[in-house]
Amino acid sequence: DAKTTQPTSMDCAEGRAANLPCNHSTISGNEYVYWYRQIHSQGPQYIIHGLKNNETNEMASLIITEDRKSSTLILPHATLRDTAVYYCIVRVNNNDMRFGAGTRLTVKP
Amino acid sequence: KAGVTQTPRYLIKTRGQQVTLSCSPISGHRSVSWYQQTPGQGLQFLFEYFSETQRNKGNFPGRFSGRQFSNSRSEMNVSTLELGDSALYLCASSLGGSRGMGRPAFFGQGTRLTVV
Repeated sequence: DAKTTQPTSMDCAEGRAANLPCNHSTISGNEYVYWYRQIHSQGPQYIIHGLKNNETNEMASLIITEDRKSSTLILPHATLRDTAVYYCIVRVNNNDMRFGAGTRLTVKP
Repeated sequence: KAGVTQTPRYLIKTRGQQVTLSCSPISGHRSVSWYQQTPGQGLQFLFEYFSETQRNKGNFPGRFSGRQFSNSRSEMNVSTLELGDSALYLCASSLGGSRGMGRPAFFGQGTRLTVV
């Protein structure tokens, strides 16, 4: 079973920031939070990951709460091409990733 | 650096047949895992291999099996195909082991299997 819970769907206006929440209240101390997205049944695309600190890369920012029980993925300026299903998972270094249903983000013009 | 390569991309098989799917991981990656994705069940973990050994297995019948070779390439096999095995099969590769701590896994584009 997935160790994370996410809203089923969200909408965002093009050009605005998209903030996608994820709850992982049972996360272990050595588990990282990873975000992936999947567009049109292609393979999931890695976005970003973090352990405790906030992280930023060219695609997104990841904010992890101090107690590590939840996190938020931020797409700063969403475009239509960001419409996808976004998955939040927790893992150590194994490839045994348990995916939930993810959040279907729709970016609207 | 080449990404994860899955072959074939599309496959049509008949019920009762068997099928073998292939996954070539990113160079240097030693861990490969397989996932089944269907509209009803979402992304489900099948099994993971690291250094030619199966490390974890999901809740799938014994008809689903896999292996990993010394060059880290992996194959999965489904025997006695059923209509319900129609799905997108994805593999993911990562460094694995202690070097994999805090490093992401990367997915291939998948093999779309249709059982008729």
